Amino acid sequence: DAKTTQPTSMDCAEGRAANLPCNHSTISGNEYVYWYRQIHSQGPQYIIHGLKNNETNEMASLIITEDRKSSTLILPHATLRDTAVYYCIAAGGGADGLTFGKGTHLIIQP
Amino acid sequence: ETGVTQSPTHLIKTRGQQVTLRCSSQSGHNTVSWYQQALGQGPQFIFQYYREEENGRGNFPPRFSGLQFPNYSSELNVNALELDDSALYLCASSLTSGGGYIYEQYFGPGTRLTVT
Repeated sequence: DAKTTQPTSMDCAEGRAANLPCNHSTISGNEYVYWYRQIHSQGPQYIIHGLKNNETNEMASLIITEDRKSSTLILPHATLRDTAVYYCIAAGGGADGLTFGKGTHLIIQP
Repeated sequence: ETGVTQSPTHLIKTRGQQVTLRCSSQSGHNTVSWYQQALGQGPQFIFQYYREEENGRGNFPPRFSGLQFPNYSSELNVNALELDDSALYLCASSLTSGGGYIYEQYFGPGTRLTVT
């Protein structure tokens, strides 16, 4: 899996959009960008993934740059329950598992 | 749709003992992966099972072993427990397509293992 780089922590006001950046400059052509989040002491929760097109689901939007070297996860209307560690992972969907870094600790402020 | 379940929730063992952790896959999934998460760290990949065989492994010693059953549930076995094995053990299930692509993984709540 390609290495990803994320800010250690971010704050966002409740009700505003939370934009979480991720750098994956060494991503290879067959690797997808996955986002997971983990609320304290729970299992990671799948959010969204994409290859090169922008993606949206009921939880979030994923914006991938044209050169695929970086991406942004957008939570459109953050709530207090969105406070969690967010992991950005570049992976090829093979049998070598997901490589989690330290992620971004997102804190939603009331 | 039933999600991924794990048992037990918590477990305390003594150094040198053996432990077995269990995982039931989400319905429709045929692949199970196990991860170890030490306090303050991200999850680390242990191994993956597909068609009842290990088909991928991370940097973990052979005393970490597993099984996958015909109903796609799985066990993680750890022999000769060490203090550093204390961690949250996570199971994730996913679907492997006929072409070998593994779709997104869905995680269970984890088993908290404490080795004293």
